[in-house]
Amino acid sequence: EDQLVESGGDLVQPGGSLRLSCVASGFTLRSHWMHWVRQVPGEGLISVSRIDRDETNTRYADFVRGRFTISRDDATNTLHLQMNSLRVEDTGTYYCARDRLFFIDLWGQGTTVAVSS
Amino acid sequence: QSVLAQPPSASGSPGQSVTISCTGTYNDIGTYDFVSWFQHHPGRAPKVIIYDVSKRRSGVPDRFSASKSGYTASLTVSGLQAEDEADYYCSSYSGNNNYVFGTGTKVTVL
Repeated sequence: EDQLVESGGDLVQPGGSLRLSCVASGFTLRSHWMHWVRQVPGEGLISVSRIDRDETNTRYADFVRGRFTISRDDATNTLHLQMNSLRVEDTGTYYCARDRLFFIDLWGQGTTVAVSS
Repeated sequence: QSVLAQPPSASGSPGQSVTISCTGTYNDIGTYDFVSWFQHHPGRAPKVIIYDVSKRRSGVPDRFSASKSGYTASLTVSGLQAEDEADYYCSSYSGNNNYVFGTGTKVTVL
């Protein structure tokens, strides 16, 4: 069974850093475009970042560009999101998600990031 | 901000039907027939139930149906069951491997 498992969420002070990880099983990450999506209670979901199969094409939402970096480790079949200069408004649950061409077909259970002093 | 507007809540008694709307724009729902819906029980991974506007994923009961008209997509859950109580989100492809998502609707089975 294909599965995504996120980790790395934590409570961090504003200005701090976190590295989220998403381990894939049952399939190879490099065969898919992959996304990080943030959920904020009451506000729904918003796309944060995505990476293509070749790692040559990455995209970031305006509110994280320059602070977050998406990457992939093919040796461990793991997707990462390096989050620097964290802000209070970055608080939320972060999901990694698999792109199945025109729809997201697989989600992880999420990892929670809380940015607070 | 989430781009697709959904009602925050919907409810129905067991056996009844509920319909959830999802309103976007020309740039997403209005252009692409790639609307999907997923069910989310908090603490668990969201589960895709509908893709390509109205196609049910394997194993999803036919109580779940969906459609699209103009800039609005809709999900109907017929014959509500207790296990249908969850949060439901819509999503639409918006070009260039980008997606927009809904604000989410909490479905309560009374």
